[in-house]
Amino acid sequence: NAGVTQTPKFRVLKTGQSMTLLCAQDMNHEYMYWYRQDPGMGLRLIHYSVGEGTTAKGEVPDGYNVSRLKKQNFLLGLESAAPSQTSVYFCASRNTGNSYEQYFGPGTRLTVT
Amino acid sequence: QQPVQSPQAVILREGEDAVINCSSSKALYSVHWYRQKHGEAPVFLMILLKGGEQKGHEKISASFNEKKQQSSLYLTASQLSYSGTYFCGTERVYGGSQGNLIFGKGTKLSVKP
Repeated sequence: NAGVTQTPKFRVLKTGQSMTLLCAQDMNHEYMYWYRQDPGMGLRLIHYSVGEGTTAKGEVPDGYNVSRLKKQNFLLGLESAAPSQTSVYFCASRNTGNSYEQYFGPGTRLTVT
Repeated sequence: QQPVQSPQAVILREGEDAVINCSSSKALYSVHWYRQKHGEAPVFLMILLKGGEQKGHEKISASFNEKKQQSSLYLTASQLSYSGTYFCGTERVYGGSQGNLIFGKGTKLSVKP
């Protein structure tokens, strides 16, 4: 099993450009999450999904959109990138039920110039 | 609200012990602990549930004081491989959190030979 994979690993965007980050998991997990990690800030939840076709906002959703058309995939979109969105983005997934651990992908390092 | 971790950083010699604390101002259902090495994804260590149940790592222990909404991670006889940043993630009791975690800012642990 590959676990949680993320595409791409690195990306440089110019301000105003758009892009989509792809997260895929092969563990049949219902719950999936997108986080951003900035120096000294820990992990902050952007959006999450509790099943195919569902999405919800997390702590810092502004400037991002998500879609979960297939259970194994969770896409994060930036419609008009801003320098403030320079960050490392992590995707995670977990089983349903109470208090199961989250499995994280390797991350995508995004720089917006 | 983001939990508060202390200390922010700690340097140890191999074989020494360390305690990392995580404190929340909100009632908690569970506390999760993750370790992240530089340039890598966070990796699950342990879950502590309200009521005393624990799930996780064999060599690392932790406690959860439900009355004080505090958790502590105990690293004994530290090894070089323990180096990294430790994050606690708190899961709220109320509010339909869907199992979402709010992470602290992290504690950087460095173990020297």
